[in-house]
Amino acid sequence: GESVGLHLPTLSVQEGDNSIINCAYSNSASDYFIWYKQESGKGPQFIIDIRSNMDKRQGQRVTVLLNKTVKHLSLQIAATQPGDSAVYFCAENMSKGGSGNTGKLIFGQGTTLQVKP
Amino acid sequence: DTEVTQTPKHLVMGMTNKKSLKCEQHMGHRAMYWYKQKAKKPPELMFVYSYEKLSINESVPSRFSPECPNSSLLNLHLHALQPEDSALYLCASSQVPGQGGLYGYTFGSGTRLTVV
Repeated sequence: GESVGLHLPTLSVQEGDNSIINCAYSNSASDYFIWYKQESGKGPQFIIDIRSNMDKRQGQRVTVLLNKTVKHLSLQIAATQPGDSAVYFCAENMSKGGSGNTGKLIFGQGTTLQVKP
Repeated sequence: DTEVTQTPKHLVMGMTNKKSLKCEQHMGHRAMYWYKQKAKKPPELMFVYSYEKLSINESVPSRFSPECPNSSLLNLHLHALQPEDSALYLCASSQVPGQGGLYGYTFGSGTRLTVV
């Protein structure tokens, strides 16, 4: 079936460095994407989202890039801090391709970000 | 109130028990969701409720029975579960089905279910 995937299961970075987490998606009709952060024992926490009519969106210390040509999504975290250590999921809002939204938010496999002090 | 509240936080139940998970939101969201998450795996969609009506059932076994009594509440009734059903059960809501709104889909902290 269709799914959203992440390239690396684990990413280890030095505190203060920038982090880049990647994600590939397969449904070219999907129109909305979200990045979530999940800490141990907690539910997914919204970080940033982007719609398919955009290719870049910036938040506080985070940037999401969307490349529809190659169906690729990335999350950039600037000046990574120990509190950023968590599992990061991209999620894709499954579209019916013109006939509306399915209401299905499908998650990728997740990347564990480890921040070394 | 910008939260989704789930109760209980932890639940241990036997395979012959009947229990219910509860989810509540007061953000005026009209879409609510149940997800199941196994350890070190992504959340998997189970059910979608749109305007209090079940719109998507992802081929979930009938031992899981969702209910949406009103626009703020979502329940998941559990009966005759198996040990492999042990997981974190997450509830989420969004302003309308398929659209995340200002803060995307909002998730609760989940119920950690253990079936013995």
